[in-house]
Amino acid sequence: SAVISQKPSRDICQRGTSLTIQCQVDSQVTMMFWYRQQPGQSLTLIATANQGSEATYESGFVIDKFPISRPNLTFSTLTVSNMSPEDSSIYLCSATGLDNQPQHFGDGTRLSIL
Amino acid sequence: AQKITQTQPGMFVQEKEAVTLDCTYDTSDQSYGLFWYKQPSSGEMIFLIYQGSYDEQNATEGRYSLNFQKARKSANLVISASQLGDSAMYFCAMREAHGGSYIPTFGRGTSLIVHP
Repeated sequence: SAVISQKPSRDICQRGTSLTIQCQVDSQVTMMFWYRQQPGQSLTLIATANQGSEATYESGFVIDKFPISRPNLTFSTLTVSNMSPEDSSIYLCSATGLDNQPQHFGDGTRLSIL
Repeated sequence: AQKITQTQPGMFVQEKEAVTLDCTYDTSDQSYGLFWYKQPSSGEMIFLIYQGSYDEQNATEGRYSLNFQKARKSANLVISASQLGDSAMYFCAMREAHGGSYIPTFGRGTSLIVHP
């Protein structure tokens, strides 16, 4: 099963700044996803990271706010731009292969904006 | 409409007892996969068990089994012989083949507390 390294594990940021979260998978995977999870809530899919092309965003999420890159099959980044306190959340990277394979998750990035 | 419904926000079980966590799903696809994940308070998402829509046997993984009733569109997780370490949030998830993209959907989760 894939091992996913996500960093940073946590950060406290100032309002109006941006933070880039990195996600590295130890094997080639078909799909990579970025989720947001508020405390005590379920996971909300932000976007699917596509290799070599623009990410596919879910309703309510836009590229200007959450630019995503995936330069190869094992690495992706999510940037949270122009942060506000409403962006305080846990951000999770996930990756998977074929349809009957489980998604594996990074340990998450706990983001707080002051 | 929600694609994954977990109707139990919280469940309590005595240590060593069995517990069933409910999950119903909604899809028009013939090919889909159902997953259960455990999220302890430390926050990591741990894969527990998988059931494919074409699998005729219920999936089992150690103390975890999945009670798959396709006609009723339910995929309940059964944990046998509960342990204190089973206390966590449990999420049911589904992957459908939307034009081959297999976008995953998660339920709201069930918080399980195991009492000694």
